[in-house]
Amino acid sequence: EIVLTQSPGTLSLSPGERATLSCRASQSVGSSYLAWYQQKPGQAPRLLIYDASSRAIDIPDRFSGSGSGTDFTLTVSRLEPEDFAVYYCQQYGTSPYTFGQGTNLEI
Amino acid sequence: QEQLVQSGAEVKKSGASVKVPCKASGYTFTSNYLHWVRQAPGQGLEWMGIINPSSGITTYAQKFQGRVSMTRDTSTSTVYMELSSLRSEDTAVYYCARGYCSSTSCHYYFDLWGQGTLVTVSS
Repeated sequence: EIVLTQSPGTLSLSPGERATLSCRASQSVGSSYLAWYQQKPGQAPRLLIYDASSRAIDIPDRFSGSGSGTDFTLTVSRLEPEDFAVYYCQQYGTSPYTFGQGTNLEI
Repeated sequence: QEQLVQSGAEVKKSGASVKVPCKASGYTFTSNYLHWVRQAPGQGLEWMGIINPSSGITTYAQKFQGRVSMTRDTSTSTVYMELSSLRSEDTAVYYCARGYCSSTSCHYYFDLWGQGTLVTVSS
């Protein structure tokens, strides 16, 4: 199975700053089938990005995704207070459809 | 609006089974595959399997083969996930999640999630 490794584990930033989150795959993710989710405490995950760089419906344009092959990045250009949460990447090119272990974005 | 609604928390004994429902509304039930994803306390997300609500065909992650069963009831737009031989490591929040489908193809990222069902396994 494809193992996704996210870094850093925890990212401490302030509102207004730029956040860069990394997701590295143990083997190439076919067709850039990679998604990013945001999860807040006690809530289900929310889809942010799919196909590595396409924003989901109603996601603000401060969220952007990039990458291909084995290296992917989620960027939040200017952090808002509501952006502090845990972020997961997921590959859906090869079954089982695995997730990274998460990056905790904290104030 | 489109939603997936799950049942309330369950407490089960080790060795028992649990069956978690997920009721879809606000969209055509048979148009999208539904997946099950679980999250142990304080841990990450783990994909368990998928069901095609139209055909009932399922695919399970190898880790859960032989212990999980996913079924659907088209008359109530509900899918079910049953996990048997429960052990303490199965304590988790279980989510149903909708896979995205366009008019021409389906992809296995999740654009709609249920609120989750906490299953606690005690000895």
